Amino acid sequence: KAGVTQTPRYLIKTRGQQVTLSCSPISGHRSVSWYQQTPGQGLQFLFEYFSETQRNKGNFPGRFSGRQFSNSRSEMNVSTLELGDSALYLCASSSRGLAAEETQYFGPGTRLLVL
Amino acid sequence: AQTVTQSQPEMSVQEAETVTLSCTYDTSESDYYLFWYKQPPSRQMILVIRQEAYKQQNATENRFSVNFQKAAKSFSLKISDSQLGDAAMYFCAYRSYNSGGYQKVTFGIGTKLQVIP
Repeated sequence: KAGVTQTPRYLIKTRGQQVTLSCSPISGHRSVSWYQQTPGQGLQFLFEYFSETQRNKGNFPGRFSGRQFSNSRSEMNVSTLELGDSALYLCASSSRGLAAEETQYFGPGTRLLVL
Repeated sequence: AQTVTQSQPEMSVQEAETVTLSCTYDTSESDYYLFWYKQPPSRQMILVIRQEAYKQQNATENRFSVNFQKAAKSFSLKISDSQLGDAAMYFCAYRSYNSGGYQKVTFGIGTKLQVIP
């Protein structure tokens, strides 16, 4: 099985712009979670999607949004970019996402730099 | 709210030696799971080991084992016979589900492990 893929791998944007990141989960996985990773904050949970529905959301402003398609692929959008949004954005998929013990499989991440 | 603390920003170990990475957490829940993830320089995060809170027996995966002290809310990772490929960032993570079925997940800030040949 192919692993979790994320596109693009690198992005450079300027303040005020918006950006869309894409994540394709492992085939058959229905749950996709998004994380923001920064050196000072570690990994912070953004949100989780399961069967096209957002099931949970972390403590991020409304500028961060996402969606999931019927094929389980997910996109994350950040509007009105700020310098502090520069980070590595990771997505992770799991088969059911309904149990805490579920193993999450991570993608390689998208490195976003906001200038 | 749950918190996960990794108090060692960086650690180093000689090849073939043993190293222990520490993790403490704070929660009022009784049912949860704890994880250690490894993130090598290539950035692909992978699961190292998992521990169910209701199990008293410490989890073991080959050279990796944990020391889970539920009362002390401590979850340390021991790497035996360290190898060069073990060099990576290691993240401790806490996960649980509330009654509404919503996932709660918290990661520590990470510990960078250097393996010295």
